[in-house]
Amino acid sequence: GENVEQHPSTLSVQEGDSAVIKCTYSDSASNYFPWYKQELGKGPQLIIDIRSNVGEKKDQRIAVTLNKTAKHFSLHITETQPEDSAVYFCAAYAGGTSYGKLTFGQGTILTVHP
Amino acid sequence: SAVISQKPSRDICQRGTSLTIQCQVDSQVTMMFWYRQQPGQSLTLIATANQGSEATYESGFVIDKFPISRPNLTFSTLTVSNMSPEDSSIYLCSVEPGTFGSGTRLTVV
Repeated sequence: GENVEQHPSTLSVQEGDSAVIKCTYSDSASNYFPWYKQELGKGPQLIIDIRSNVGEKKDQRIAVTLNKTAKHFSLHITETQPEDSAVYFCAAYAGGTSYGKLTFGQGTILTVHP
Repeated sequence: SAVISQKPSRDICQRGTSLTIQCQVDSQVTMMFWYRQQPGQSLTLIATANQGSEATYESGFVIDKFPISRPNLTFSTLTVSNMSPEDSSIYLCSVEPGTFGSGTRLTVV
């Protein structure tokens, strides 16, 4: 089955700096890659996603890049703010007929210091 | 995107008992998914629930331990049976394309 590796496990940045989180996946058939933000006591919130026919996608301060050949994708957050502090998860569509069946990375604890 | 409501939001249960978690979606969906998030860990898929058929379980999860119902296109339940402290986790309901409820935080004592 699909295996997703996520790095780093923790990331500490100063407010205003950029943050980058990287994931690799194993199944070359995977074609949907969402990113989630999870705040304490809450469920994961989808913040951005990318499909395999696209190399990059941006939404304001957040961007995701995908390299299908190398089987890795990355989350980029620019101009970080303290409210960006949370746990971030990458995921890959693991197969079957639905985008709901996801394999998750191990998570990255992002801390943005004021 | 769909809005998902889960009940209860949290519970503390005695070992050996069972807890049923409810998931309500504000629109009809074909598939619903149940995930487990153990303390400090990532999310792991337990099973996929289709309306009108038996749920499909992932490796390591069995129906006797995690029975699932899917009576209609907007509702599903997950039961955690004969609980032990190792079952202490957050249980999350999800619908495609990857929308999650806020989860049920379960503590077994």
